[in-house]
Amino acid sequence: QVQLQESGPGLVKPSETLSLTCTVSGGSIMSYYWSWIRQPPGKRLEWIGYMYYSGSTNYNPSLKSRVTTSLDRSNNQFSLRLTSVTAADTAVYYCARGLSGFYSPHDKWGQGTLVTVSS
Amino acid sequence: DIVMTQSPDSLAVSLGERATINCESSQSIFFSSNNKNYLAWYQHKPGQPPKLLIYWASTRESGVPDRFSGSGSGTDFTLTIDSLQAEDVAVYYCQQYHSMPYTFGQGTKLEIK
Repeated sequence: QVQLQESGPGLVKPSETLSLTCTVSGGSIMSYYWSWIRQPPGKRLEWIGYMYYSGSTNYNPSLKSRVTTSLDRSNNQFSLRLTSVTAADTAVYYCARGLSGFYSPHDKWGQGTLVTVSS
Repeated sequence: DIVMTQSPDSLAVSLGERATINCESSQSIFFSSNNKNYLAWYQHKPGQPPKLLIYWASTRESGVPDRFSGSGSGTDFTLTIDSLQAEDVAVYYCQQYHSMPYTFGQGTKLEIK
């Protein structure tokens, strides 16, 4: 049974960089698309971007200038970096797996981690 | 971006009755090349990650009870929950994966009447 778990600081200062890691257990990170999705308090879910195991990426244009993702095949992990954060980036951040292929829903999700942007 | 709009925002249904949630996309999310609607439904309970219920608008994810069903095509979709159970209390989201960026509806909160 594939499981995903997010990890990283729960508090980030404004203008700094948010960094999160998703560890995949019970299955390989290869041959799937891996997403980051967030939900600000009281708002709808927002897709941040996709990363394929080959390294190819696709980001939400609204965040593209500030987002970077990376993959660590040896540790079965993928990571998110979001630069120049503001209070608007406060959200529960989820990592998730694409069910199959590039255009597909997300069948496995991490528990989510709350990141608060505040000084 | 494709805008997903759900209705109603909240819904109270008696145990054993049917719940119906609607989702409308601002443009068609149907691909004629494979005859598929790129629409998913998720169930989200507090403190848990969203759970995939339905994809391709009407395909039930493995392990999802058959009281959950999805229908619709093009821009209008429906999630139906027959014989509502107490454990179905949650927020339900639709999501389009037809075009980047993927987008979600605002959510429908389902409660027991």
